[in-house]
Amino acid sequence: SQELEQSPQSLIVQEGKNLTINCTSSKTLYGLYWYKQKYGEGLIFLMMLQKGGEEKSHEKITAKLDEKKQQSSLHITASQPSHAGIYLCGAAKAAGNKLTFGGGTRVLVKP
Amino acid sequence: GAVVSQHPSWVICKSGTSVKIECRSLDFQATTMFWYRQFPKQSLMLMATSNEGSKATYEQGVEKDKFLINHASLTLSTLTVTSAHPEDSSFYICSAPALAGPYNEQFFGPGTRLTVL
Repeated sequence: SQELEQSPQSLIVQEGKNLTINCTSSKTLYGLYWYKQKYGEGLIFLMMLQKGGEEKSHEKITAKLDEKKQQSSLHITASQPSHAGIYLCGAAKAAGNKLTFGGGTRVLVKP
Repeated sequence: GAVVSQHPSWVICKSGTSVKIECRSLDFQATTMFWYRQFPKQSLMLMATSNEGSKATYEQGVEKDKFLINHASLTLSTLTVTSAHPEDSSFYICSAPALAGPYNEQFFGPGTRLTVL
């Protein structure tokens, strides 16, 4: 199976500071998905990366996929309390395929 | 974006009863849907792949006779937890890949919280 290691497991950051979450795969990925989840709720799609070296940004969130397509990072700039939640990376082996998830990173933003 | 709904959003049942959870793709067709389970403070674990018109594919360690999956149409998959026990209490989430048109992603339902007393 495709193993995904996510780090750190949890993160407490002061409002206005930047933060980075990493996701590493033992195998080359077809696609890497980033989701955000509030506890007890569904997943909110953030970004999907498919090409080696790809980088996408939306508002204050930037996600990158390395050239080997085995490592991705999610970076939040000038964090706000609204960024608090659980961030999950998920990997697919092929288009439309099931996702394997990392362990998640719990983010808390202190006002 | 595309929408996936789940019903019910939460359910409480007695031990030994069966519970059905529905997953619907509201504005796109899904020949495949996925069912995940999430325990408190843990990540999502894939339970099974629901295939329209054929049998579901279960992940290792998931009892197919306990978690019955039926993909009745291109927009509906159901997960029935049979003879539920307290250890089945969990957050169940479904997803459906949308690959047509502008979409190339997996859409997740809002989840169903099952509590078995």
